[in-house]
Amino acid sequence: AQKITQTQPGMFVQEKEAVTLDCTYDTSDQSYGLFWYKQPSSGEMIFLIYQGSYDEQNATEGRYSLNFQKARKSANLVISASQLGDSAMYFCAMREGVSGNTPLVFGKGTRLSVIA
Amino acid sequence: NAGVTQTPKFRILKIGQSMTLQCTQDMNHNYMYWYRQDPGMGLKLIYYSVGAGITDKGEVPNGYNVSRSTTEDFPLRLELAAPSQTSVYFCASSYGGWPSSYEQYFGPGTRLTVT
Repeated sequence: AQKITQTQPGMFVQEKEAVTLDCTYDTSDQSYGLFWYKQPSSGEMIFLIYQGSYDEQNATEGRYSLNFQKARKSANLVISASQLGDSAMYFCAMREGVSGNTPLVFGKGTRLSVIA
Repeated sequence: NAGVTQTPKFRILKIGQSMTLQCTQDMNHNYMYWYRQDPGMGLKLIYYSVGAGITDKGEVPNGYNVSRSTTEDFPLRLELAAPSQTSVYFCASSYGGWPSSYEQYFGPGTRLTVT
């Protein structure tokens, strides 16, 4: 079974609008971490935001916030005030366990296109 | 700090050839990883290492080998290249340990084509 599911292959958003990218995950561990990465057309992977399974508050980093709903096993990324430079692939990823010695497992990604 | 560096950036191989993808990090990270990314897909883990001398298989290890003789270097060896290995290869590293929030830092990738 897929551990990370991103159901939106592609999304469009108008510049300056907010957009939500969906991510659901599957784990039986109580301790895990959820990550979002951005991959622009240049190909590099850019870390955006992290949410720990025990974190009670939703993570925020500038225009990025993570809508964490533990009971639903969802970790949606919200980008506020979209900019043209936000056009990229976005990957949700999970690391299981507390020790941090397990690698990230990635979803298939969502391609976001920001329209002027 | 240069972060995670990978060489080469691009390579074309003929079927049956072998090559080594180099990866070096200068952040003193214990944990290093190799992923492949096929067109339009997410990243799949090939091999990873939690420290010098220790390696473990990921999701798609067949056709690859790794070694980790130093903290800094984690080369990926392709033996008998096949067209199915055409992909972009990413090396990553992380501090690891507690907490698990440490992000993985990625190299720029190596685009490999096998024809």
